[in-house]
Amino acid sequence: GAGVSQSPSNKVTEKGKDVELRCDPISGHTALYWYRQSLGQGLEFLIYFQGNSAPDKSGLPSDRFSAERTGGSVSTLTIQRTQQEDSAVYLCASSYPGTAQYFGPGTRLLVL
Amino acid sequence: AQSVTQPDIHITVSEGASLELRCNYSYGATPYLFWYVQSPGQGLQLLLKYFSGDTLVQGIKGFEAEFKRSQSSFNLRKPSVHWSDAAEYFCAVGAANAGKSTFGDGTTLTVKP
Repeated sequence: GAGVSQSPSNKVTEKGKDVELRCDPISGHTALYWYRQSLGQGLEFLIYFQGNSAPDKSGLPSDRFSAERTGGSVSTLTIQRTQQEDSAVYLCASSYPGTAQYFGPGTRLLVL
Repeated sequence: AQSVTQPDIHITVSEGASLELRCNYSYGATPYLFWYVQSPGQGLQLLLKYFSGDTLVQGIKGFEAEFKRSQSSFNLRKPSVHWSDAAEYFCAVGAANAGKSTFGDGTTLTVKP
């Protein structure tokens, strides 16, 4: 596709359930980023991939959060045992190294 | 460590008036600088970027920004604001060797008729 795509666009889950969020980056972009944006807040960096490796995981808020990237393309962000404070918009972005990031539309996660 | 400060949380301007959104950064080397816009319920869209060269950069939607190294600033400007410019604006600083960009907390722009 022409841009970064994310699925699902919206996700409602119950506290304690696991969720998986998917990101399809722009073809050829080797760098991929996950951010979290809570209501009315700025962007919180979660994790950065260069190819399939993640040199910077410093933003993952707890060990309930994990992410992987396969084939240098698609990435999945997994949140285990979701909590209400996990409710937010999860944004994915991709780029060539050192260039501007292009963002997807986000996944809106609501934990009840 | 790199950081970005957007001093204005919320700005209101009248339609047709000029706009300047402030951004100050802290970075140990020559920064890559970006401005993004986020309309309600939307993802972030890149407005413009500075990597090197001319310190006045032009972006989409009639926006421009000027890199001032001496002031560690990268302010966003538009000569005449349109109602459709109402959105949240984020400034970001990044590294030449990739890695994450650091974003400011954003400035919300309201446009009065």
